[in-house]
Amino acid sequence: QSALTQPASVSGSPGQSITISCTGTSSDVGGYNYVSWYQQHPGKAPKLMIYEVSNRPSGVSNRFSGSKSGNTASLTISGLQAEDEADYYCSSYTSSSTYVVFGGGTKLTVL
Amino acid sequence: QVQLVQSGAEVKKPGASVKVSCKASGYTFTSYYMHWVRQAPGQGLEWMGIINPSGGSTSYAQKFQGRVTMTRDTSTSTVYMELSSLRSEDTAVYYCARDSPLAVAGTSAFDIWGQGTMVTVSS
Repeated sequence: QSALTQPASVSGSPGQSITISCTGTSSDVGGYNYVSWYQQHPGKAPKLMIYEVSNRPSGVSNRFSGSKSGNTASLTISGLQAEDEADYYCSSYTSSSTYVVFGGGTKLTVL
Repeated sequence: QVQLVQSGAEVKKPGASVKVSCKASGYTFTSYYMHWVRQAPGQGLEWMGIINPSGGSTSYAQKFQGRVTMTRDTSTSTVYMELSSLRSEDTAVYYCARDSPLAVAGTSAFDIWGQGTMVTVSS
């Protein structure tokens, strides 16, 4: 069981928007603005898409955006494209001895 | 270019140890923390620990305390992760990942990842 809770799967059609949630506690997501999001294609290493809740690294499309409310962070992908089909993971700094926790991952299917 | 290159796949018997290397290039090795993350087949990501390549200090996830050791060699810009007392549940891809210079240090933003090292534990 992962420390952060994500839906197992989400889907959307090309051009639509989807949102993936990531729920934690006040010791991680709710307590710090240190939530990151990663995209992982099959057989590949994860790629950083969002850091510190809502910041995008250079080179990441502005179709990807992040936000947070209370103990839940969200990743929104607008204008869905076929290449967005992948697994998405959230992570957060945590005050527990674990230091960093991940969500269980969400499989995005572009219909 | 900035990259992390890991050592090759390993097959180990239960009870053995494995040591995975991660060689950094394209940036100042001692400037950014390095993390180790693993992913069991078909499963999610799991953080194992962090090492400061500058001073060598480490912090490990409680789950791996006593079984994992992370070290570094500044002369070769390489970090190592050794996991002992291996069991079948340790079968996974092991990644090294660099702390992002864009974010506050050590706060779960990893911008450069190694290609991964598959470790298989089987009798």
